[in-house]
Amino acid sequence: GNSVTQMEGPVTLSEEAFLTINCTYTATGYPSLFWYVQYPGEGLQLLLKATKADDKGSNKGFEATYRKETTSFHLEKGSVQVSDSAVYFCALRRGTALIFGKGTTLSVSS
Amino acid sequence: DTAVSQTPKYLVTQMGNDKSIKCEQNLGHDTMYWYKQDSKKFLKIMFSYNNKELIINETVPNRFSPKSPDKAHLNLHINSLELGDSAVYFCASSQDGTRLYNEQFFGPGTRLTVL
Repeated sequence: GNSVTQMEGPVTLSEEAFLTINCTYTATGYPSLFWYVQYPGEGLQLLLKATKADDKGSNKGFEATYRKETTSFHLEKGSVQVSDSAVYFCALRRGTALIFGKGTTLSVSS
Repeated sequence: DTAVSQTPKYLVTQMGNDKSIKCEQNLGHDTMYWYKQDSKKFLKIMFSYNNKELIINETVPNRFSPKSPDKAHLNLHINSLELGDSAVYFCASSQDGTRLYNEQFFGPGTRLTVL
């Protein structure tokens, strides 16, 4: 079936450190892939997306590349800020619904 | 302007009670969803409606019944609440649920606590 696997958190970094959050997926066909972010006490917001192989989604300094050969969509940011502290969810589309990974909590300290 | 709104934000109730959570979107979207986020922050789709018609109904107990009076509203009614229903419930909407790349916009969530 379709599923998303994310690295276990929490991830704790100092400000300006490099961030990678791994995400791999299992799916039939070529699903669209997404990263959503949930700030404390809020709903989810779309961070970036990619709809086909080799597409790179980017937003707010975050990037992720759709890798069909490794079925991966890892999230990266070159220099994190305290304001990036949140829970990050990798997701794929199955029909009309999103299938989410379990989320990775990122904590950035100054 | 709030795109997807939910009421109430917090709901504390006793086991066995019946409660409803309301959701409204002002984006003109065709498709609306309900997701459940458990205590470990795992998110799972519960229902999806497209133009007031149910198109997804995951394995959710019959005690949960979605109701869509019009395209802009999708309410969630829960009968005979159980402890395990405690979670955060998110409503979402998208322009056309059949298009795989369309973004889903989420509401702020309703934290349900069953005592």
